[in-house]
Amino acid sequence: DAMVIQNPRYQVTQFGKPVTLSCSQTLNHNVMYWYQQKSSQAPKLLFHYYDKDFNNEADTPDNFQSRRPNTSFCFLDIRSPGLGDAAMYLCATSRDTLAGALGDTQYFGPGTRLTVL
Amino acid sequence: DQQVKQNSPSLSVQEGRISILNCDYTNSMFDYFLWYKKYPAEGPTFLISISSIKDKNEDGRFTVFLNKSAKHLSLHIVPSQPGDSAVYFCAARATGNQFYFGTGTSLTVIP
Repeated sequence: DAMVIQNPRYQVTQFGKPVTLSCSQTLNHNVMYWYQQKSSQAPKLLFHYYDKDFNNEADTPDNFQSRRPNTSFCFLDIRSPGLGDAAMYLCATSRDTLAGALGDTQYFGPGTRLTVL
Repeated sequence: DQQVKQNSPSLSVQEGRISILNCDYTNSMFDYFLWYKKYPAEGPTFLISISSIKDKNEDGRFTVFLNKSAKHLSLHIVPSQPGDSAVYFCAARATGNQFYFGTGTSLTVIP
């Protein structure tokens, strides 16, 4: 059973045309994350939500926004996609943020590959 | 600034032998380290982790070693199996629940 679902799996948009990627989870986890992964690079954390608290990474461009209307859903909005925003976007969840206990980890969705024309 | 580095983009190992994947980090404040495995067209899946207060954690064929003084992490897979062929990501957690990933190492286990 899918636990972290991302839709769509592939998204094509035009330069400057707003696009929204969605993520849903059936794990009832408190934390949801969005990562950007470009080819041959490490996944880069854009932001995360702990419950309703939004935590933005310092170097995440303003072009990227996120919404979490409820525990299960989280959206990534790219207001004006540029060619450099073409990447795989990964959503992940974790039960909690501060435990650090062994086994506390992130569960990833399959990703949405964004193409910008 | 890459805080977690995997300097080997690929590794090939014969089935039954040991696979050793390496990871280096720069931030001494990382308190938790994880390895993820990723198959094509799927998201990364958790494999094994280690707290910064430990130096070894073992789970079946997988063992993670942590050398804090060297800021080095390694994953040992023994014996390696063809199904282990995947991309392996090292990740580290900083305070505030920020996770930093390496660029990944593509492991191929040759039957």
